[in-house]
Amino acid sequence: QITLKESGPTLVKPTQTLTLTCTFSGFSLTTNGVGVAWIRQSPGEALEWLAIIFWDDDTRYNPSLKSRLTVTKDTSKNQVVLTVTNMDPVDTATYYCAHRQDWNYFDYWGQGTLVTASS
Amino acid sequence: DILMTQSPSSVSASVGDRVTITCRASQDIGGWLAWYQQIPGKAPKLLIHGASTLQGGVPSRFSGSGSGTDFTLTISSLQPEDFATYYCQLANNLPFTFGGGTKVEVK
Repeated sequence: QITLKESGPTLVKPTQTLTLTCTFSGFSLTTNGVGVAWIRQSPGEALEWLAIIFWDDDTRYNPSLKSRLTVTKDTSKNQVVLTVTNMDPVDTATYYCAHRQDWNYFDYWGQGTLVTASS
Repeated sequence: DILMTQSPSSVSASVGDRVTITCRASQDIGGWLAWYQQIPGKAPKLLIHGASTLQGGVPSRFSGSGSGTDFTLTISSLQPEDFATYYCQLANNLPFTFGGGTKVEVK
């Protein structure tokens, strides 16, 4: 059974760096074709795809945020880490990690974690 | 970037109604489209991928169609648990953009 869970701070100050961890089970990020994505949702707004890391360390980012995002993986811990620099109140959102099914569909999601950027 | 536009943004319906939601891509994406359902306070759930393939465990009252730029999600007979927001998602081009969402509300 595949599960994912996000963890990290619930409150960050503007200009600070946000670091979120996605801890997963039921699959390996060393298996061909596997990926883990990060998606966020501002309150009352639509979903916004942020980034994805693949089994082969290939990493892709949303161009609108690329300069501020970094995604890494630790396969020994079954974790993926998202870093967002220079946080702003507009970055307040629920952040989700999700398992990539074949062909970039996301079939398993974490419960999400609400991060508020406020002084 | 490819833009994904959903319509309507909201629809009011009753249990038993047939509901149709549309997603339009700003350029040809073949069949590389998914549909998700999101209940308030919950993570999205994958309903359909490849434009028309039902994800395992999803009731058959959900169906998807379309290719190229125009896609449709249909709920053949709305059930109480279907009141939610639905999103389409582009799957073959970065960024993997989501549509703006369609909220299915009680009439």
